[in-house]
Amino acid sequence: QVQLKESGPGLVQPSQTLSLTCTVSGFSLTSNSVHWVRQPPGKGLEWVGAIWSGGSTDYNSALKSRLSISRDTSKSQVFLKMNSLQTEDTAIYFCTRSLYEWGQGVMVTVSS
Amino acid sequence: DVVLTQTPVSLLISLGGQASISCRSSQSLVHSNGNTYLHWYLQKPGQSPQLLIYQVSNRFSGIPDRFSGSGSGTDFTLKISRVEPEDLGVYYCLQRTHNPPTFGSGTKLEIK
Repeated sequence: QVQLKESGPGLVQPSQTLSLTCTVSGFSLTSNSVHWVRQPPGKGLEWVGAIWSGGSTDYNSALKSRLSISRDTSKSQVFLKMNSLQTEDTAIYFCTRSLYEWGQGVMVTVSS
Repeated sequence: DVVLTQTPVSLLISLGGQASISCRSSQSLVHSNGNTYLHWYLQKPGQSPQLLIYQVSNRFSGIPDRFSGSGSGTDFTLKISRVEPEDLGVYYCLQRTHNPPTFGSGTKLEIK
């Protein structure tokens, strides 16, 4: 069955770079898109960006200058990198197959 | 960006009762290919969102027929009949007709 699992550091210092990995199984990255969605504590959902089956990417315009999404199809992994982190980037980060199945999420706290 | 307005903000429903949630879009969600990409999710406490309904009215795998979606253009509704304890949580609508995908602000369902 389709599974996604996010991993990465729980704590990042302000101005540093966040690196997250989404490891998937049960589907092919070359046939499906993977999206990242985040949720600040106690708040709603915000679309962050996506990598499409062909490898192209789309980003939230508010984050575009700081964001990069890539993948390694041989390892069934999708990567999110966001630089210049601020406290407002504190959130649970989810990866999702085409906005259908979702991973459990990873909590990222930006704090010194 | 497309704005999705969800109402009500919260609902208090008796077990066995019916709930109705509205999602209104700032512009038509009919894609140029004729499809309407309006989805509904439930986020149970402490969990990731789960897809209930995709493309307005199609129940996702394993979703009981107590959940139904309807609507067209800019106005959409999610109905939950015979509410059960496991239905509590926050319901979100999402549109992915237009880039970027955007979410409604959520409706919290509580059980009496």
